[in-house]
Amino acid sequence: EVQLLESGGGLVQPGGSLRLSCAASGFSFSSSPMGWVRQAPGKGLEWVSSISGSGSNTYHADSVKGRFAISRDNAKNTLYLQMNSLRAEDTAVYYCSKMASPNYFQFWGQGALVTVSS
Amino acid sequence: QSALTQPPSVSGSPGQSVTISCTGTSSDVGSYNRVSWYHQAPGTAPKLIIYEVSNRPSGVPDRFSGSKSGNTASLTISGLQTEDEADYYCSSYSSVTTYVFGTGTKVTVL
Repeated sequence: EVQLLESGGGLVQPGGSLRLSCAASGFSFSSSPMGWVRQAPGKGLEWVSSISGSGSNTYHADSVKGRFAISRDNAKNTLYLQMNSLRAEDTAVYYCSKMASPNYFQFWGQGALVTVSS
Repeated sequence: QSALTQPPSVSGSPGQSVTISCTGTSSDVGSYNRVSWYHQAPGTAPKLIIYEVSNRPSGVPDRFSGSKSGNTASLTISGLQTEDEADYYCSSYSSVTTYVFGTGTKVTVL
């Protein structure tokens, strides 16, 4: 059974930093592209970042480019999202997702809430 | 383009069929068979129900079907059931933004 468990969410002040983690199990982690998708309160889904199985290729939405960085540790079966220079508009539930054939988001974690506020 | 366009809401009675449209451009839906659909019940994570335009993952009921014509993809729910009441999102690969989601559609079972 695929399991994705996010952690690291919380309250942070504008301009601050936070690192989300996603512990994966139940599949071949190092073979799977992974991604982060967020959902602001009462809003729709927004793709944030994706990474290839090896970690050599990363992709970020324009809204977070230069501020967020996706990475992975295949030895620990863990995905990360380093978020810097956080803004109020980054407030959202962040979902970790196992991707398939880098075309779609196959499985989703339960989400981690990030609140950016003073 | 910031998001694919979906109707805010659709509704139907139990047993009826409803169709949700997802309109993009030639940079995404129109050029790639990489459209997927997600079901999100209140307070829960999204769940994949259709991938690559018309394929259903294992365990998804066959009353869910997908199609595409030009720049518009569609999700049809046949034989609507009360548990189908949820938000639905489409998504597509994009040559401009890598991935793009739809604006979301709330399905109400009357």
